[in-house]
Amino acid sequence: EIVMTQSPATLSVSPGERATLSCRASQSVDNNLAWYQQKPGQAPRLLIYGASTRATGIPARFSGSGSGTEFTLTISSLQSEDFAVYYCHQYNDWPLYTFGQGTKLDIK
Amino acid sequence: EIQLVESGGKLVQPGGSLRLSCAASGFTFSTYSMNWVRQAPGKGLEWVSYISSSSGTIYYADSVRGRFTISRDNARNSLYLQMRSLRVEDTAVYYCARVQMAGRRGYFDYWGQGTLVPVSS
Repeated sequence: EIVMTQSPATLSVSPGERATLSCRASQSVDNNLAWYQQKPGQAPRLLIYGASTRATGIPARFSGSGSGTEFTLTISSLQSEDFAVYYCHQYNDWPLYTFGQGTKLDIK
Repeated sequence: EIQLVESGGKLVQPGGSLRLSCAASGFTFSTYSMNWVRQAPGKGLEWVSYISSSSGTIYYADSVRGRFTISRDNARNSLYLQMRSLRVEDTAVYYCARVQMAGRRGYFDYWGQGTLVPVSS
């Protein structure tokens, strides 16, 4: 099983600032990496797939990068609606899909 | 509009059984593989089971294999999860999620709102 490790567990950032979230895979997942946003009481929402492709309707302030074992989600200028939990998800080792444990993005 | 709506979650005792449903609309259900993913209270996401569009390929996480059965009815645009021998550690919100293929791999592009299954005596 591929283990996905996200850091930090909690990130406190002020609105308007940049947030950088990290995700590391225990072995290469090529670019088969997605990012999801989840708000309390809601389902996860797809943000990024293929490590760097924004899903339909996702604002340009969200960007993904990386390949292999190291990935980054960057939110360039935080809006109030961006404070949520973010999960990375590898789908390379299909169908043994695994998720990171999440990074909670808090308002500073 | 693409929608996935889960139902069937309710309080069940350890050792009991439950069947979850996921009703799909807004897309051609019969052409997509589907999954169940769960989330224990305050915890992260855990993949549970996968079923291909024709039901020809099915996979389970080790934690549920032998106790859970995934199925689908393409005529009814519905996905199911039959859960047996439920344990306290199966307590979670259960989501259905659609697979969008990218080459030979697929990510989850649409999720339902989830249904809560508490397992407790």
